[in-house]
Parts: sequence; structure tokens; C-alpha cells
Amino acid sequence: EADIYQIPRYLVIGTGKKITLECSQTMGHDKMYWYQQDPGMELHLIHYSYGVNSTEKGDLSSESTVSRIRTEHFPLTLESARPSHTSQYLCASMDRGDGYTFGSGTRLTVV
Amino acid sequence: GESVGLHLPTLSVQEGDNSIINCAYSNSASDYFIWYKQESGKGPQFIIDIRSNMDKRQGQRVTVLLNKTVKHLSLQIAATQPGDSAVYFCAETLRSSASKIIFGSGTRLSIRP
Repeated sequence: EADIYQIPRYLVIGTGKKITLECSQTMGHDKMYWYQQDPGMELHLIHYSYGVNSTEKGDLSSESTVSRIRTEHFPLTLESARPSHTSQYLCASMDRGDGYTFGSGTRLTVV
Repeated sequence: GESVGLHLPTLSVQEGDNSIINCAYSNSASDYFIWYKQESGKGPQFIIDIRSNMDKRQGQRVTVLLNKTVKHLSLQIAATQPGDSAVYFCAETLRSSASKIIFGSGTRLSIRP
């Protein structure tokens, strides 16, 4: 069973809506990451955190924001969704510089 | 900027044959490399990793080869099975640099019966 959880798995929303994608991990990892991925394409880092109250923007510009109030929780928020935000969003965590553990992703469609 | 790239976007292999997926990386300072497998509708799953002080590492049915001279990484899958169908990503990082991992564009592996 996965140790990193993303909710929801699928989401269809209207343009202009505010949404929050949830990501939680039970492994006690300090480092957490959000990637955006179009189907079959490469992963683009949009946000990361090295611990509580630490958040940084990634390599791909994103209109989303994140917060890290608790170690286990790293939610991503879109204040006003647009069709260009349609994509898959993958959350990951890492322990001590080894490979990531990924969640199953949230597939977002903005209509 | 630095990037990780794959030689082939798709690979079709006969069931039972060996598969070889190649990857080129451009950051000569990277010291840790990982292969991920991503099945449809799922997040990437760790397959095998290798550190830069090694040139070969074997797992169960998988082998990763690292050639630092030409900055090349490969994943070999022995006796390919239908369950191996997926997109495979190579990734690189510098472990001392706060652990951001750079992913390549992915190779889709399909298995012919």
C-alpha cells in the first residue's frame, strides 16, 4: 500500500474555481515535491519543500501555491483554475537524498 | 541548462526478449541516477538506482549501466514480460545539492506477444 497519498485522483472543475490538491505522506520525510506531467511526457518540478515552513518554486513557472505547515502534509492550491492548468499533478517525498516515493497523482481537467 | 534526455521515445520488444532503454545526461557533476517505471494512470515507481562510483548495478531482471565518459545511462530488462509495458524515465541528481531530481522525457516500452 502506498505511503504517500493524493486526493482526489481525478477532478473536473470549471474555469475560475479555486481548488486544493491534497498530498500526505506517512514516512516522516522532510523533503516533498510537486511535479506537473502531461500524459506520456516528462515531469516538471513546480514546487518543493525541505521541511515545515519551507517552500520553494521549481523549474517550471506555475500559478499554483503550496504550504507546509505539517511534515506530513503538502497541499497545492490553484486560486483560479484555467484550461491551461489541465494536467496530471504528482506529489513525491524523499528521505536523505535517495530516490523519490511518488503518489498516484491527481488528474485535473479544467473546463 | 542541464538536462537529461532519452535517445528513443518508443521501443517495441518481443515478449521474452531483452529490452535496452538508453538515456543521455548532460550534467557531468551528477552523482546519482535513477530509473523509474510509470504505468498508465499511476505515479512513477522506483526501479533501480546507481551512484557515480559504480558502472553497473543489477536488480531482479534489471541492470543499469553507467558510462560517465560519454554521460550515458542504460536500463536493461531481461526476458521482457507484458507487465513491463510502461513509460520509463531516467533521472539524475547531485545528492549534495539538496536533492532536486531532473527527469528525462521518457521512453514508452511496448511488448509484442
